[in-house]
Amino acid sequence: NAGVTQTPKFRILKIGQSMTLQCAQDMNHNYMYWYRQDPGMGLKLIYYSVGAGITDKGEVPNGYNVSRSTTEDFPLRLELAAPSQTSVYFCASSYSIGVPWDGYTFGSGTRLTVV
Amino acid sequence: GQQVMQIPQYQHVQEGEDFTTYCNSSTTLSNIQWYKQRPGGHPVFLIQLVKSGEVKKQKRLTFQFGEAKKNSSLHITATQTTDVGTYFCAVSGGGADGLTFGKGTHLIIQP
Repeated sequence: NAGVTQTPKFRILKIGQSMTLQCAQDMNHNYMYWYRQDPGMGLKLIYYSVGAGITDKGEVPNGYNVSRSTTEDFPLRLELAAPSQTSVYFCASSYSIGVPWDGYTFGSGTRLTVV
Repeated sequence: GQQVMQIPQYQHVQEGEDFTTYCNSSTTLSNIQWYKQRPGGHPVFLIQLVKSGEVKKQKRLTFQFGEAKKNSSLHITATQTTDVGTYFCAVSGGGADGLTFGKGTHLIIQP
């Protein structure tokens, strides 16, 4: 049981390049989320999904896109990378959102630098 | 959406001293979660509080939810070097649209 797996762990992009951050979970979780964390700050929600084929915007979706073709995978696409997208990106998943609840399971993160 | 303010932003303590972080909201919360993130690591779920006035303990950690469900606290007794990290509170609007995280309290322990 690997939990939530994110790849790559580190990446340096040039301004204007594109890339896809991969996220996969093997816990059969319905709910998946992408957050970004800037240095010394909390986490901000980019996109989320409540199940395969369903995605929705979070607090800071501009410059990003997502898809959810399967329950397991939730990739995040960056188009035309900008320095403001330099951050640590965390993918998270959850089995439910009710009570009781075991919280989110986070991946180990992707550290992205745009130069 | 929901907003939470977390204080203090940084806390330096000597090893063995106690530590407390507070999370405050201007609106009534349905529940609140706490997470710990070690330096260079990812957030790890600690606990969820749901009931007014609820108190839960995990070894040296004590979590409280206010009577009005507008604030919460995390208290660590006799800190150890393994407690180093950032502690986040997180709240939801009750739906599936993601948690809103506080900015976190960075706990720095001096041996």
